[in-house]
Amino acid sequence: GQQVMQIPQYQHVQEGEDFTTYCNSSTTLSNIQWYKQRPGGHPVFLIQLVKSGEVKKQKRLTFQFGEAKKNSSLHITATQTTDVGTYFCAGPRGSNYQLIWGAGTKLIIKP
Amino acid sequence: DAGVIQSPRHEVTEMGQEVTLRCKPISGHDYLFWYRQTMMRGLELLIYFNNNVPIDDSGMPEDRFSAKMPNASFSTLKIQPSEPRDSAVYFCASSWGVMDSPLHFGNGTRLTVT
Repeated sequence: GQQVMQIPQYQHVQEGEDFTTYCNSSTTLSNIQWYKQRPGGHPVFLIQLVKSGEVKKQKRLTFQFGEAKKNSSLHITATQTTDVGTYFCAGPRGSNYQLIWGAGTKLIIKP
Repeated sequence: DAGVIQSPRHEVTEMGQEVTLRCKPISGHDYLFWYRQTMMRGLELLIYFNNNVPIDDSGMPEDRFSAKMPNASFSTLKIQPSEPRDSAVYFCASSWGVMDSPLHFGNGTRLTVT
């Protein structure tokens, strides 16, 4: 069935280092959404990408949607402690109103 | 905008007891979703409603789980009888209008079944 694979599962970085998480879908996606979940919190919508090759920025966060609309990435420049959490990608399952979620990448800042 | 409101925040119950989780979606949102999150299985969609009508309940694990949405501002997820493997965080989320609109999640209910 349709799957969204997200890697890595965890990433440990020193504060100030960059962070990247990748999503790959087994099928072409009409769009992809990114969410952030702080420890003990709930997923919070960050952004939606729709167009092939689209790149969007939110301050230190850069989101990309692949040309084939099957992969996406989130890159954080110069991480800060406020970036700690798990980042999820999610894409729609065909014509059904359901999102298929990646497993998430947990960003951990080394002390 | 008060956001999606869930209650209770925490629920501890004994195996075999009935558990009812509650959700108030954002006013004007016509889609409501119930998700379950565990370390092992991640985020799982249990059921979703459109205009108070259940559309897809294929994610409901078994007959012990049931969900209702009697009106546009209230939904419940009931587990009867509860089992230890039901322990998880249950999220309610709502969205507006078209398919694929971003989801707005509530703070969740952390359920522990002993």
